[in-house]
Amino acid sequence: AQSVTQLDSQVPVFEEAPVELRCNYSSSVSVYLFWYVQYPNQGLQLLLKYLSGSTLVKGINGFEAEFNKSQTSFHLRKPSVHISDTAEYFCAVSGPGGGNKLTFGTGTQLKVEL
Amino acid sequence: DVKVTQSSRYLVKRTGEKVFLECVQDMDHENMFWYRQDPGLGLRLIYFSYDVKMKEKGDIPEGYSVSREKKERFSLILESASTNQTSMYLCATTGGGRVDETQYFGPGTRLLVL
Repeated sequence: AQSVTQLDSQVPVFEEAPVELRCNYSSSVSVYLFWYVQYPNQGLQLLLKYLSGSTLVKGINGFEAEFNKSQTSFHLRKPSVHISDTAEYFCAVSGPGGGNKLTFGTGTQLKVEL
Repeated sequence: DVKVTQSSRYLVKRTGEKVFLECVQDMDHENMFWYRQDPGLGLRLIYFSYDVKMKEKGDIPEGYSVSREKKERFSLILESASTNQTSMYLCATTGGGRVDETQYFGPGTRLLVL
C-alpha cells in the first residue's frame, strides 16, 4: 500500500521569501508523484508531476519539486513567493496496481504575509 | 480545457434526508471520482467509476452510493445523511486509466448536515 506524509500542516512565510513544502511517500514499488494546489473556495489543480527522467520537475507559477528516491521525498519549492501563492498544497502518489487512483497527503496550508 | 461542474457549491440538509450530489464533465473522460475533504485528513476516495454503469469502492464507501447512467455524469448519493457526513465533496475526472494521468477537479460542494 502507498502512503503520503506531509510533515507541516501550516507554513507561514513572508512575501518574496523562499519556501519549501515537505512530502515523503511510502511505497515498495515505483510510483508517480504529484503536487496539487487548492486556492480558497476552489477545486484542486495540478502544479506538477514526476513520472520518470530528470529528478527536478518544474511546474506552473514558478514552483519546482525534486524527486529523491533514496529519501523517498518529493519536496516542493519556490525561490520567492507571492501573496497570491496563499493556498493549500497537496502531495499525492499513484502507482502500479492502483490504476490511476491517487493517494493524497493531508495537505499543507501556505500563508504568505506582507 | 476540461470543465468539471458540480451541481451545488453549498448545501444544507437535515439528518436522515436522501442527498444527491451531481458531477458533470464535458471532455468525454472515461474515469470519474468522488472524494471528501476534511481538515487534517486531506482527500479520501469514496467511489470511482471507469465506465458507464460501472463503479468501484474507494477507501471510505460506507454510507454512500453512486450512479453513472451516462458517461458525462457521476452522482454521489447519501442514502440517509448523518452529521458526520458534513464535509467538502470533490469530483474529479481523468481521460483514461494510466497511472500518470492528471486528475481534473470540480469546484467542490460544501455539505452541512444538521
